[in-house]
Amino acid sequence: ILNVEQSPQSLHVQEGDSTNFTCSFPSSNFYALHWYRWETAKSPEALFVMTLNGDEKKKGRISATLNTKEGYSYLYIKGSQPEDSATYLCAPGDSNTGKLIFGQGTTLQVKP
Amino acid sequence: NAGVMQNPRHLVRRRGQEARLRCSPMKGHSHVYWYRQLPEEGLKFMVYLQKENIIDESGMPKERFSAEFPKEGPSILRIQQVVRGDSAAYFCASSPTAVGEGQYFGPGTRLTVT
Repeated sequence: ILNVEQSPQSLHVQEGDSTNFTCSFPSSNFYALHWYRWETAKSPEALFVMTLNGDEKKKGRISATLNTKEGYSYLYIKGSQPEDSATYLCAPGDSNTGKLIFGQGTTLQVKP
Repeated sequence: NAGVMQNPRHLVRRRGQEARLRCSPMKGHSHVYWYRQLPEEGLKFMVYLQKENIIDESGMPKERFSAEFPKEGPSILRIQQVVRGDSAAYFCASSPTAVGEGQYFGPGTRLTVT
């Protein structure tokens, strides 16, 4: 059973600050590392699916890196905006069934 | 292309009643996953289905819970004789393949047991 840890649990930043979060997981039995953005009362929105060690993906001001050998991924947000306020979830996907094992998430609050 | 549809969005049931939650995957997606978020907890996997088959139900409670994904129609998560502890948000997600691609989530069904 995978144990997925995310840190910090919550984060408060000012508009314009850059920030990053960490996701750590056992580095075996998974095929991809997923990042989701989850706003209150909405459904989780897929940000990235990362499979290769050293993979780096970017979507606008948000980027992510993956280290499969040591079992961690970083999510970066450059120049945070109030609309970035959400909970960011990471989830390794099981290599046999694809089921996602979610961390508890990092809740980001960006103050204008 | 419509996203993943779930209904109802909110469901209130008295203890002992049955709850039926429906999930229509995205067009072309034949893999459906159900997840549950209990109060103050994160998302937890329940069951993974392909058309007419349950592939992995390792996250399902052993009693009262069942799931199906028939050849025609939506996937159904059924909870019999609901108890207060079943109150949670239930999300389904669909994917075109089991591995290698992302899962797309529906808006969830919030079940309240009174």
